[in-house]
Amino acid sequence: GAVVSQHPSRVICKSGTSVKIECRSLDFQATTMFWYRQFPKQSLMLMATSNEGSKATYEQGVEKDKFLINHASLTLSTLTVTSAHPEDSSFYICSASILAGGPSTDTQYFGPGTRLTVL
Amino acid sequence: RKEVEQDPGPFNVPEGATVAFNCTYSNSASQSFFWYRQDCRKEPKLLMSVYSSGNEDGRFTAQLNRASQYISLLIRDSKLSDSATYLCVVLPGAGSYQLTFGKGTKLSVIP
Repeated sequence: GAVVSQHPSRVICKSGTSVKIECRSLDFQATTMFWYRQFPKQSLMLMATSNEGSKATYEQGVEKDKFLINHASLTLSTLTVTSAHPEDSSFYICSASILAGGPSTDTQYFGPGTRLTVL
Repeated sequence: RKEVEQDPGPFNVPEGATVAFNCTYSNSASQSFFWYRQDCRKEPKLLMSVYSSGNEDGRFTAQLNRASQYISLLIRDSKLSDSATYLCVVLPGAGSYQLTFGKGTKLSVIP
């Protein structure tokens, strides 16, 4: 099946630093990647939709200057949390959709997530 | 009204029991529906898609009622390994990949 990896799986940083999270589709090409955030006991909330080679589309309430997304290739998207603060501590999950014409165009495959703790 | 609503539970059931989860969605134009399973501190994993005609996969049966905007998941013969949070997920429309997640229903299967 389709595999999505994320790196790092866990990061602890000081307030004010920037953290980069990578999301890779390992065995397929993804036209679209998504970034979600999940706070404890809450549902996954979509932060932004990322298409290869174009600017990401951010959901309402998500600061695009704080959460920088780069989708440089069909297999890699990065999320950079700039000037992280304790309230940014959360579980960040990416997902990727297979190119149209692939095994399933409706299915999103999720990465294992990155747990960010900002001290 | 929230876009996707689920009973948060927890549902505590003995092994071998049958348990049903319900979910309602607010967007009548929604096209696709799924149940995902999420283990503690892990990413969600697709359990099954939900079709209008209803579908079954082993011990799991999913039903969709478009008129009532209601989705259900039935688990028969519960196993300890079924303990997880079950997420009701809706895809709003054709051509969109933006999944909308419910908060999830927590299931604990007890020996």
